[in-house]
Amino acid sequence: DAGVIQSPRHEVTEMGQEVTLRCKPISGHDYLFWYRQTMMRGLELLIYFNNNVPIDDSGMPEDRFSAKMPNASFSTLKIQPSEPRDSAVYFCASRTGTESPLLPGELFFGEGSRLTVL
Amino acid sequence: SQQGEEDPQALSIQEGENATMNCSYKTSINNLQWYRQNSGRGLVHLILIRSNEREKHSGRLRVTLDTSKKSSSLLITASRAADTASYFCATRRTGRRALTFGSGTRLQVQP
Repeated sequence: DAGVIQSPRHEVTEMGQEVTLRCKPISGHDYLFWYRQTMMRGLELLIYFNNNVPIDDSGMPEDRFSAKMPNASFSTLKIQPSEPRDSAVYFCASRTGTESPLLPGELFFGEGSRLTVL
Repeated sequence: SQQGEEDPQALSIQEGENATMNCSYKTSINNLQWYRQNSGRGLVHLILIRSNEREKHSGRLRVTLDTSKKSSSLLITASRAADTASYFCATRRTGRRALTFGSGTRLQVQP
């Protein structure tokens, strides 16, 4: 498997523009998570999905942020309008829903999307 | 403050030495996991220890968990320059699916 795939890897945009980040989880994984990483706040959970349904979006900072998962192989995180304080690395991660000694529930991360809002 | 707090924030050692990183957390957990992040890359899972386990080994990694003190430690033995990275502990609270990550320890191994 190719792992979790995120795009774009880097995005530079101007304040007020719409930003869309994309994620393809590992095939067969039931859970998909979006995290944001900054120097000041570390890794923060934004939202996660189970079987394409949003379960917990309490970490989404504002209404400017929205996330969707239209099918099991694709998710988007959208910021509209973007602001300089949204500059961060956004990670998508997925995991299986089944837990056992062989499948303990580890997260598999993508390489991240580095967003810079000028 | 964050659920997991690592210390030290930064650690610099010589190749061949052992590196120990500590993590403290606040709530009851199902398991605790350690992840590694190379600069500019995503996080990679290293090892998981369940709440009913006290110690676990994987290659040069040794993890301990003390649930009474709500703390864990990660020991990397015989470190190598390639171990240079940031290391994060992550806890999965009882009854929850999401992981909460600590602030991380930046490890620098000098060749």
